[in-house]
Amino acid sequence: DAGVTQSPTHLIKTRGQQVTLRCSPKSGHDTVSWYQQALGQGPQFIFQYYEEEERQRGNFPDRFSGHQFPNYSSELNVNALLLGDSALYLCASSLTMNRVGLLNTGELFFGEGSRLTVL
Amino acid sequence: GQNIDQPTEMTATEGAIVQINCTYQTSGFNGLFWYQQHAGEAPTFLSYNVLDGLEEKGRFSSFLSRSKGYSYLLLKELQMKDSASYLCAVREGGATNKLIFGTGTLLAVQP
Repeated sequence: DAGVTQSPTHLIKTRGQQVTLRCSPKSGHDTVSWYQQALGQGPQFIFQYYEEEERQRGNFPDRFSGHQFPNYSSELNVNALLLGDSALYLCASSLTMNRVGLLNTGELFFGEGSRLTVL
Repeated sequence: GQNIDQPTEMTATEGAIVQINCTYQTSGFNGLFWYQQHAGEAPTFLSYNVLDGLEEKGRFSSFLSRSKGYSYLLLKELQMKDSASYLCAVREGGATNKLIFGTGTLLAVQP
């Protein structure tokens, strides 16, 4: 049973460029969330996708966009990169809250992350 | 507003017990999670509390008081491999399971 997989693991970009990060959720999961984690900080919620739609968004500019595909995999796109976008980008998969019950806490399962460096 | 507070760093001795506190103020509440994150790795799930009281899982226990907006993670019989960052996270509720994370507590276990 594969866990959450992300690609690429590391990448370096320059200011103004665009980047696409990819995520495959854990088998059986239907919801994908993206988080940004700066060094020494906790993860910050970017957005969540369910049924191929953005369900909720955190406090991130429109330069951050995403997509979910019919197979539940997801992409995170960041345009016009800034130095401050350098961070670890974590994908987390889970079951939708509609399926959370006594035996399923709805916890997030995280991938290893994509380490983005913007120069 | 949303605010989750936990100590930045803690140090403890191998074999000892350590308690990591977390206080929260969020617009809603539908569960509190603790995650462990080793340097350069993904966070991994440790525990979940949605009702008041203590949940025990082996060497790890987590406590919740919803009326006080307070939780703690208790680690017993500390091992060197427990050196990591411990993240407290609150699920606000509603249709999504968005988590709001604290900044994490970096625990250093010394011999």
